Amino acid sequence: EVLLLESGGGLVQPGGSLRLSCVASGFTFSTYAMTWVRQSPGKRLEWVSFISASGGSTYDADSVKGRFIISRDNSQNTLFLQMNSLRVDDTAIYFCARLKSHQSRAFDYWGQGTLVAVSS
Amino acid sequence: SYVLTQPPSVSVAPGQTATVTCEKNNIGIKSVHWYQQKPGQAPVLVVYDDNDRPSGIPERFSGSNSGSTATLTISRVEAGDEADYYCQVWDSTRDHVLFGGGTKLTVL
Repeated sequence: EVLLLESGGGLVQPGGSLRLSCVASGFTFSTYAMTWVRQSPGKRLEWVSFISASGGSTYDADSVKGRFIISRDNSQNTLFLQMNSLRVDDTAIYFCARLKSHQSRAFDYWGQGTLVAVSS
Repeated sequence: SYVLTQPPSVSVAPGQTATVTCEKNNIGIKSVHWYQQKPGQAPVLVVYDDNDRPSGIPERFSGSNSGSTATLTISRVEAGDEADYYCQVWDSTRDHVLFGGGTKLTVL
């Protein structure tokens, strides 16, 4: 069974930092690209960052570029999101998700999410 | 910017057919994926590559994509289909992922 389990969320002040983790199990993590998607309360899904299976390629949404860093440790089956210079509008539930395949760029498995609240 | 436009809400009676649209000029040349999200839960992929279904998704869920409109069709709607539905594409010109604004499906 494919499982994705996020952690690391919490309450942080504006300008602060957090590191999210997503531990994967039930599949060969090193062969799948992964992504982070967030959802502010009552709002739509918003893509955040993407990383290739090897970690050699990463892409970021304009809203987080230069502040967030996506990375992965394939030896530990873990995806990370380092979030710096956090702003109030970064408040959201952050989901990690698996890319179905390079040909089909859909996300076929999602974690349950971790809540990040940015407030003074 | 590459914006995917969805109607905010769609209402349908049980047993009827619901259609959720996702509009953007020339979206027909893209592969469109659809997600179902119920309150407090993570999104679930229900249709990928325009009209394929992951295992475990009922045949009542289908999709189409042509011209400027992609469509998710849910036949014989059930109360359990009430959820938010999002379309998604990959913008290959920027290597970005795009989601539509979401459509709230209400089963009357």
